[in-house]
Amino acid sequence: DQQVKQNSPSLSVQEGRISILNCDYTNSMFDYFLWYKKYPAEGPTFLISISSIKDKNEDGRFTVFLNKSAKHLSLHIVPSQPGDSAVYFCAASGVSSGTYKYIFGTGTRLKVLA
Amino acid sequence: GAVVSQHPSWVICKSGTSVKIECRSLDFQATTMFWYRQFPKQSLMLMATSNEGSKATYEQGVEKDKFLINHASLTLSTLTVTSAHPEDSSFYICSARDPTLETQYFGPGTRLLVL
Repeated sequence: DQQVKQNSPSLSVQEGRISILNCDYTNSMFDYFLWYKKYPAEGPTFLISISSIKDKNEDGRFTVFLNKSAKHLSLHIVPSQPGDSAVYFCAASGVSSGTYKYIFGTGTRLKVLA
Repeated sequence: GAVVSQHPSWVICKSGTSVKIECRSLDFQATTMFWYRQFPKQSLMLMATSNEGSKATYEQGVEKDKFLINHASLTLSTLTVTSAHPEDSSFYICSARDPTLETQYFGPGTRLLVL
């Protein structure tokens, strides 16, 4: 059972436009969400995070939105740059029955076209 | 920022040998570390959660006798692939949880090739 889902395996966006990457989760015990960026053959790099007490967090060109009622979060990149081309993973974390869980989505490959 | 290192970055070994991969948090203490495996064109797959001073928690389908995890200190976790076979060839990534920042930092990964 995939508790964290990224339903779009790939996304292409023109340089300068907005990139929107989506992520859905099923378990309401998750209370902290993160986005990672990953280049081939490298470990993921932390990008931005959001706590469940917030609905928006912004850092430069990156903004994460959280809709708890819909169990949905999204990452907005604006303006998109060719260097943003990578695989983006969302992750959800929380404690359930005393066990800390950290679940990744399946990733979305973003391609920013020059 | 926080740094997590992995050693070695790549390793080639013969089938039947054991390989140890180290994961270190360099500037924070990590009570929890995670080991992932990535298959080509697939997402990271969590293999196990490594807890300092206690036994690792393995995800379903991961053989604990095959993938031995030891978290001997607050800055070091090791993954030993025992009696490696070609199907164990993969990219292994560790991460360390910084409890003060509620963030995980990932190591650069270790590419394992078993001949």
